[in-house]
Amino acid sequence: QVQLQESGPGLVKPSETLSLRCTVSGGSMNNHYWSWIRQPPGKGLEWIGSMYYSGSPNYNPSLKSRVTISVDTSKNQFSLRLSSVTAADTAVYYCATGLTSLWLDPWGQGTLVTVSS
Amino acid sequence: DIVMTQSPDSLAVSLGERATINCKSSQNVLNNSNNKSYLAWYQQKLGQPPKLLFYWASFREFGVPDRFSGSGSGTDFTLTISSLQAEDVAVYYCQQYSSSPLTFGGGTKVEIK
Repeated sequence: QVQLQESGPGLVKPSETLSLRCTVSGGSMNNHYWSWIRQPPGKGLEWIGSMYYSGSPNYNPSLKSRVTISVDTSKNQFSLRLSSVTAADTAVYYCATGLTSLWLDPWGQGTLVTVSS
Repeated sequence: DIVMTQSPDSLAVSLGERATINCKSSQNVLNNSNNKSYLAWYQQKLGQPPKLLFYWASFREFGVPDRFSGSGSGTDFTLTISSLQAEDVAVYYCQQYSSSPLTFGGGTKVEIK
């Protein structure tokens, strides 16, 4: 089964862009959907968006104007960019995958991103 | 968006006893063409990412103990732990995948009484 690992800055300033990368190991990125989900400290889960390895991304409308998800199969990585961040974007960010766009399995361990000056 | 409502928010159950978690969707997530409900359940232990337990409401993921069961259809779903073990302490989430955006319930925290 594939394994996922998120990486990126743990601290981002307000109004700047959050950039995270998810590195995939143990399998091919082909024929999978690649997703980002976030979880504010002590709160529930929010789907950010998903992208088929060769398709167009699908974003949560609540974040669509600020989000970009991209897949680079040559590097076995996919990425998240979230622009104009505020304190409300402070969360643990998870990457996840699946053979369908439906359920999410497996997930990376998650990375905490704090938005603060 | 489809709103997922879980109940209770938390419950404390004695070891070996049954735990029941409910999940209600604001819209029907049953696809009449394949008779499948587009609902998944996840378990999240403290400090860990969520782990998939069930998809299609009742299809158990490989490796999930059979004391866990998922049931329901349409708008009302249940996750049952038939005999609670210490390792089942976690927060459980339901998730619908009937329509975009994917949405999750608020979570139910299961503890030992």
